[in-house]
Amino acid sequence: GDSVTQMEGPVTLSEEAFLTINCTYTATGYPSLFWYVQYPGEGLQLLLKATKADDKGSNKGFEATYRKETTSFHLEKGSVQVSDSAVYFCALFTGGGNKLTFGTGTQLKVEL
Amino acid sequence: EAQVTQNPRYLITVTGKKLTVTCSQNMNHEYMSWYRQDPGLGLRQIYYSMNVEVTDKGDVPEGYKVSRKEKRNFPLILESPSPNQTSLYFCASSPWDRVNNEQFFGPGTRLTVL
Repeated sequence: GDSVTQMEGPVTLSEEAFLTINCTYTATGYPSLFWYVQYPGEGLQLLLKATKADDKGSNKGFEATYRKETTSFHLEKGSVQVSDSAVYFCALFTGGGNKLTFGTGTQLKVEL
Repeated sequence: EAQVTQNPRYLITVTGKKLTVTCSQNMNHEYMSWYRQDPGLGLRQIYYSMNVEVTDKGDVPEGYKVSRKEKRNFPLILESPSPNQTSLYFCASSPWDRVNNEQFFGPGTRLTVL
């Protein structure tokens, strides 16, 4: 079945550091890929998405590129801020299914 | 404002006492879904609904019921809650799109079953 693997957290960075959160997937067919963010005490919000190979999703300085050859969708940001502290979820959706399949989430802590 | 609302946000109850968590969306979405979030397990789907009167099981449906009598509402029912249902629950809705299925999430309901 479909699955998403994310790097273990927590990830702790200093403000203005470079961020990478790894995400790889296994899926039948051609999935759409998503990054969701969960701020403390809140629900999940869509951060960015990509629907086909080589697409790059971007939002709020975050980027991720859909790499079919490596089945990856790594999240990057050039300079993190304290306000980026949250839990980040990678997820996939295939047209044959009726749900999003989520990774386990990666907690990011950004310190001054 | 387009949103998904859930009530209650926090609930502490005892084993066996029936409860309902409500979910409502104002975006006229066809698809709605319930997830539970547990540490180290991410989000797992409980039930989903493709439209009014159409519901189906997700990955972890045991101990839960749902109904979809109106397009905007999708309540989650625990007939006889048990401690292993202590979790954080999210409702989500989506304009059904087989390409990307972007989902909009409610704020969550933290349930504790003693």
